[in-house]
Amino acid sequence: SSELTQDPAVSVALGQTVRITCQGDTLRTYYASWFQQKPGRPPLLVISGNTNRPSGIPDRFSGSSSGGTASLTITGAQAEDEAAYYCYSRDSSGNHVVFGGGTQLTVL
Amino acid sequence: QVQLQESGPGLVQPSQTLSLTCNVSGGSISGTSYYWTWIRQHPKRGLEWIGHIHFSGFPYYNPSLQSRVTLSVDTSQNQFSLKLKSVSAADTAVYYCARETRAHASVWFDVWGQGTPVTVSS
Repeated sequence: SSELTQDPAVSVALGQTVRITCQGDTLRTYYASWFQQKPGRPPLLVISGNTNRPSGIPDRFSGSSSGGTASLTITGAQAEDEAAYYCYSRDSSGNHVVFGGGTQLTVL
Repeated sequence: QVQLQESGPGLVQPSQTLSLTCNVSGGSISGTSYYWTWIRQHPKRGLEWIGHIHFSGFPYYNPSLQSRVTLSVDTSQNQFSLKLKSVSAADTAVYYCARETRAHASVWFDVWGQGTPVTVSS
């Protein structure tokens, strides 16, 4: 399988823009998806297929990918965005799924 | 709106078999576009994809667990199940069932159960 690497923690001032990154060789072939997780809650899909935002997810969430790095950007972060964010993708075989270690976002 | 709900014992003894079921409501498990998946979240080791199964009954397992895991689907009950044998403390985690979609170079999980904590201890 493959590894996806995320920074453990990131902070952003209220209303500012933050980018959360996810690095891995598998991202050169396969697309990244992202979920948000708050304590004691199940994950919530926020981005699929690198850039697709599910209905109901605020448009301040966006995704992109270049080379072996996928990014989740929150433009105008809100207090309710404080959560852990995880990326995931297919592994190098294409058959399995691998997850990043997660990034804890703090909104100051 | 499809909803998933896990059920099963929260405590399993070492060397025994962990058995969980995920009930699907608000939609049919027989949709051809979806796979039905188990994922676990360890307190410190993070997330691990256990495997998935299509309603037609073809499972696919994480190689690291393949020798111990069995997934099955019951279309008449609209549910799918996980069995993990010979458990140890390393299998202590929150277990989630989820709906998985695969398309082109993508995979995503758009519906999740609430998660059920499982502790392996005597």
